[in-house]
Amino acid sequence: EIVLTQSPASLSLSPGERATLSCRASQSVKNYLVWYQQKPGQAPRLLIYDSSTRATGIPARFSGSGSGTDFTLTISSLEPEDFAVYYCQHRSSWPLTFGGGTRVEI
Amino acid sequence: EVQLLESGGGLVQPGGSLRITCAASGFTFSNYAMSWVRQAPGKGPEWVSAISDSRGSTYYADSVKGRFTISRDNSKNTLYLQMNGLRAEDTAVYYCAKTGRSFGDYHWFDFWGQGTLVTVSS
Repeated sequence: EIVLTQSPASLSLSPGERATLSCRASQSVKNYLVWYQQKPGQAPRLLIYDSSTRATGIPARFSGSGSGTDFTLTISSLEPEDFAVYYCQHRSSWPLTFGGGTRVEI
Repeated sequence: EVQLLESGGGLVQPGGSLRITCAASGFTFSNYAMSWVRQAPGKGPEWVSAISDSRGSTYYADSVKGRFTISRDNSKNTLYLQMNGLRAEDTAVYYCAKTGRSFGDYHWFDFWGQGTLVTVSS
């Protein structure tokens, strides 16, 4: 099973600042890495798939990069609605796994 | 508009069984692989099981293998998860999730249901 480790566990930032979130895989997942955003009481929302492809309707301030074992989600300028928990997930092999999440808080 | 509506959750005793259902609409259900993903209170998501589009291949997390069975009825646009031998650690909100692209193993999830809560307790 591929273990995804997200860091930091939490990030305290202000609106307008840049957020950089990391996801590291225990073995290569090629570029098959996905990012989600989750707010309290809601299902996760797809942001990025295959490392860097933004999902439909996702603002350009969200970008993803990386391949192999190291990946980054960047939010270029935080909007108030971006404060949430972010999870990575791989789709490289079975079983699919999620990371433990990074909470982005004000 | 894509809609996924889960139902069938509830309180069940340890060792008991439950079947949860996901009614899909707004897309050609038979063309897409589907998954169940659960989230225990205060925890991150955990993938549980997947089923391919019309080919019917199934996949399971080790934590549920041999106890849970995923299935689908493409004529009814419905996804199922039969859960047997339930344990306290199976307590979670169970989401059904649609994969992002048809006709293949594109296991990113672009639409999720609202979830159904399964509580395993005596």
